[in-house]
Amino acid sequence: DTAVSQTPKYLVTQMGNDKSIKCEQNLGHDTMYWYKQDSKKFLKIMFSYNNKELIINETVPNRFSPKSPDKAHLNLHINSLELGDSAVYFCASSQDYRDRGEKLFFGSGTQLSVL
Amino acid sequence: AQKVTQAQTEISVVEKEDVTLDCVYETRDTTYYLFWYKQPPSGELVFLIRRNSFDEQNEISGRYSWNFQKSTSSFNFTITASQVVDSAVYFCALGSTDSWGKLQFGAGTQVVVTP
Repeated sequence: DTAVSQTPKYLVTQMGNDKSIKCEQNLGHDTMYWYKQDSKKFLKIMFSYNNKELIINETVPNRFSPKSPDKAHLNLHINSLELGDSAVYFCASSQDYRDRGEKLFFGSGTQLSVL
Repeated sequence: AQKVTQAQTEISVVEKEDVTLDCVYETRDTTYYLFWYKQPPSGELVFLIRRNSFDEQNEISGRYSWNFQKSTSSFNFTITASQVVDSAVYFCALGSTDSWGKLQFGAGTQVVVTP
């Protein structure tokens, strides 16, 4: 069973469209994250939710809106897609963000290409 | 501000050679955690090791070993007798005290192992 699963794996779309990426974890973790990996492989956190509550929002444009219907799911909705949004988006989870040294479990990534 | 520097962009070795990946970090925290993650060509991020700031003991896991030195703020990673399957991008990361799940990643080092 996949611990952190995200769909779709590939997403190709036109500028201006709205798209969503879904993430689910079956590890029973309380905290979930979205990280963005740019074309140079640099990884940066975007959002973090703990038990459905937003705890990290890292200067991300308002076009990006995370939604956590329950602690096992964290979806990412992107409005009015721009060329610069092209990247790989990783979902991750950890037991509890307040636990020191908690390792993150990552999904396999969603390659978003905006044309 | 926290920072992780992986100065080596790419390292190419021939199978069975040893390869050492450098990681230098900056933090004002006295308690912190360091991580290494592997990203193979398939794209997922795989956890390799976690080390807290109070434990400077070196660690060995099979062909992998890690050298943590607080005096030089370094957490280097060595692959002994490299294999083609070790070809991947390796990321060093630093855990933040304001949220342990907020990892500051280095830029990554691409390791290419040729037969």
